[in-house]
Amino acid sequence: QKEVEQNSGPLSVPEGAIASLNCTYSDRGSQSFFWYRQYSGKSPELIMSIYSNGDQEDGRFTAQLNKASQYVSLLIRDSQPSDSATYLCAVIGVSGTYKYIFGTGTRLKVLA
Amino acid sequence: GAVVSQHPSRVICKSGTSVKIECRSLDFQATTMFWYRQFPKQSLMLMATSNEGSKATYEQGVEKDKFLINHASLTLSTLTVTSAHPEDSSFYICSALGKNNSPLHFGNGTRLTVT
Repeated sequence: QKEVEQNSGPLSVPEGAIASLNCTYSDRGSQSFFWYRQYSGKSPELIMSIYSNGDQEDGRFTAQLNKASQYVSLLIRDSQPSDSATYLCAVIGVSGTYKYIFGTGTRLKVLA
Repeated sequence: GAVVSQHPSRVICKSGTSVKIECRSLDFQATTMFWYRQFPKQSLMLMATSNEGSKATYEQGVEKDKFLINHASLTLSTLTVTSAHPEDSSFYICSALGKNNSPLHFGNGTRLTVT
């Protein structure tokens, strides 16, 4: 089992819809979770951080964390074509060495 | 917000030469810096972790003598690709960490092409 798993996609949604991106992780002791967006040919940029169970909202983005089920998700409301990118989930692993573990990313396509 | 500057953004070099890439944290002190490599349409691959004043820790399969990392200060880490070959052509990205549990901040990346 991979440490951080994401569906590679592509996930296609129409413009204006809600895009839902999911991520599961294996290290039950993980405490810090992040979502990054990466456009093709560019480096990742931080969208959201979440540390406690529940929802955290920032503009059109909502991160959701459920530690009991070991998943974290990202909702993008009113999706725009400019949201088309690869979304990376990152988790700080606490087992063994302290390190950031990235998922392979989910490619999102927002159709105009 | 935290800013990480990476230079150069793009470099083309001849096979057999060495290339140095710099990564600077501009407005915070980076206790740890990470170097990643990414091939087209593939995911980020961690190459090494560097802490200021100590030797870098390389991931399995990454040659430490080929990819030299120097983390000389809390704001600067360099990656030198020695004796570059065409298969080293890739997108190299650095990231810096201030405090534990805080997000990683990425540089803009360096696209290396070895001819």
